Amino acid sequence: SQQGEEDPQALSIQEGENATMNCSYKTSINNLQWYRQNSGRGLVHLILIRSNEREKHSGRLRVTLDTSKKSSSLLITASRAADTASYFCATDAGSGGYNKLIFGAGTRLAVHP
Amino acid sequence: GAGVSQSPSNKVTEKGKDVELRCDPISGHTALYWYRQSLGQGLEFLIYFQGNSAPDKSGLPSDRFSAERTGGSVSTLTIQRTQQEDSAVYLCASSRRTGQVNEQFFGPGTRLTVL
Repeated sequence: SQQGEEDPQALSIQEGENATMNCSYKTSINNLQWYRQNSGRGLVHLILIRSNEREKHSGRLRVTLDTSKKSSSLLITASRAADTASYFCATDAGSGGYNKLIFGAGTRLAVHP
Repeated sequence: GAGVSQSPSNKVTEKGKDVELRCDPISGHTALYWYRQSLGQGLEFLIYFQGNSAPDKSGLPSDRFSAERTGGSVSTLTIQRTQQEDSAVYLCASSRRTGQVNEQFFGPGTRLTVL
């Protein structure tokens, strides 16, 4: 069963706007990761936030984590048409560095020129 | 360097046939994972291998599914007596240990269609 649930399921915005995607999960985690998928094929790792971190930045990406609410958000600032993709959160509930990731159903982002 | 590769990229088979899907992980990565993604859905964990430890098979949906990892590198996922509900994209990922961090690198996937 899926651990994470993203919302919205789909998001359509104009270039230059910010995109915010949310993820909720059910159990305690070691870290939470966001991945991007183009055209329904391979996923690309975007950013990881540990359970003891509250916010992290990477370029135009900003991730927050609220472990008390078991939720995370991914913000993409100044979006571009090339950001069009599906975005998934994935939770790592184990320890030791090798663990299965539990993925949510994803948010489909469309950025229009 | 080379990423995770998977073959074939597409596979069409008839119901009841067996299929084998292959994954070549990134060199030096000791952990290898298989996931399945149905159309418009998230990824469903199937199985993972870590070094010489017994694999975690907790995600395999039925005994028709099995996987091997030979020599700590290449892995083969086998689906016996395929059913139409097995149609999905099968994704492989690998990772190397960096403390507590588990960033997984994914292959392009194999799209399986069972007619």
